[in-house]
Amino acid sequence: EIVLTQSPGTLSLSPGERATLSCRASQSVSSSYLAWYQQKPGRAPRLLIYGASSRATGIPDRFSGSGSGTDFTLTISRLEPEDFAVYYCQQYGNSPETFGQGTKVEIK
Amino acid sequence: QVQLQESGPGLVKPSQTLSLTCTVSGGSISSGGYHWGWIRQHPGKGLEWIAYIYYSGTTYYNPSLKSRVTISVDTSKDQFSLKLSSVTAADTAVYYCARRGSDYVFDYWGQGTLVTVSS
Repeated sequence: EIVLTQSPGTLSLSPGERATLSCRASQSVSSSYLAWYQQKPGRAPRLLIYGASSRATGIPDRFSGSGSGTDFTLTISRLEPEDFAVYYCQQYGNSPETFGQGTKVEIK
Repeated sequence: QVQLQESGPGLVKPSQTLSLTCTVSGGSISSGGYHWGWIRQHPGKGLEWIAYIYYSGTTYYNPSLKSRVTISVDTSKDQFSLKLSSVTAADTAVYYCARRGSDYVFDYWGQGTLVTVSS
């Protein structure tokens, strides 16, 4: 099973700042099958990025994903108030599909 | 717009079987091209993939739960279901149903349903 480790656990930033979230895999993720989800309290996760760098339908271009192999990054170029949430990475190239433990982006 | 809605008991006794159903609207399960799955989230914790199924009935399970999980599909009703047997308090979680889209990621999710295992 591929273990995904996200860092930092919590990111305290102000609106307008840049957020950089990391997801490191315990072994190489096949075909860059790495996704990012956003989750707000009491809500279901929302798909942001798939294939490591492709934005899902309707996702603003301030969200971008990069990386390959074992190291992946989600970048939010300028934080909007609605971006403060928990972000999860997921690998879906190897079974079982696994998620990271999440990074909380909070208002500083 | 595809929508998914979970339904089922919110309280299950230890050692019993948890049963949930997901109803899909805005699209047909039998149209093909997608898998339909279940993911759970323990209170205050991360996400855990449980299983998914193709409309034809082909199933995929997380090995950590495989011995206790059954996923099934009823294309006539555009529903798919989850059964988790021999539950314990460790199975208390919010259970989400979701569509695994053509890019192999979960692109549509239900709102989630909290299932508590307690006597």
